[in-house]
Amino acid sequence: AQSVSQHNHHVILSEAASLELGCNYSYGGTVNLFWYVQYPGQHLQLLLKYFSGDPLVKGIKGFEAEFIKSKFSFNLRKPSVQWSDTAEYFCAVMSSGSARQLTFGSGTQLTVLP
Amino acid sequence: NAGVTQTPKFQVLKTGQSMTLQCAQDMNHEYMSWYRQDPGMGLRLIHYSVGAGITDQGEVPNGYNVSRSTTEDFPLRLLSAAPSQTSVYFCASSSDVRGLYEQYFGPGTRLTVT
Repeated sequence: AQSVSQHNHHVILSEAASLELGCNYSYGGTVNLFWYVQYPGQHLQLLLKYFSGDPLVKGIKGFEAEFIKSKFSFNLRKPSVQWSDTAEYFCAVMSSGSARQLTFGSGTQLTVLP
Repeated sequence: NAGVTQTPKFQVLKTGQSMTLQCAQDMNHEYMSWYRQDPGMGLRLIHYSVGAGITDQGEVPNGYNVSRSTTEDFPLRLLSAAPSQTSVYFCASSSDVRGLYEQYFGPGTRLTVT
């Protein structure tokens, strides 16, 4: 069975700081990888996704993520965070045998201080 | 398009009561899923469907039933509510079109069982 680990449970940054959130997955086959964001009181929204090709993917709001197959990682990055980036971030994996279902990590709460 | 809609937004039940959480999508997506979100645990898959008339269990199916009689609707039934089912429930839908498998989430139902 596939699993996803997000090691940072809560990250606190000041505005303009750089962000990197870790995500590791366990599955030996082909995977599709996602980052979702949940702003306070709202439902999940897709930030970015990786299916194939260039391992560096760019998403909305200046976020990007790099797929490193050898490390089973898909870390999320942003060069300069804003107060409005305060939210919970979820990494998710969809494997080829999962009937298109997602396995989520436990989430990372990001707090950006003004 | 309304996307994925869920009703009700909030619900309080007493232990032993039953109820149905409604989910509908107007995007003609073949895949639909139910997740529950609990603090520190991310989202966990309850049940999913790959098309009308076809459902299967996810990671945490006990205490829940689903059916899929139409492409649009995917209700989740709690048979006999327990305090452990206090959670936020999200419905999602996705499509195989172009192999993108992006899941769209509804706004959620916050359920409290006393």
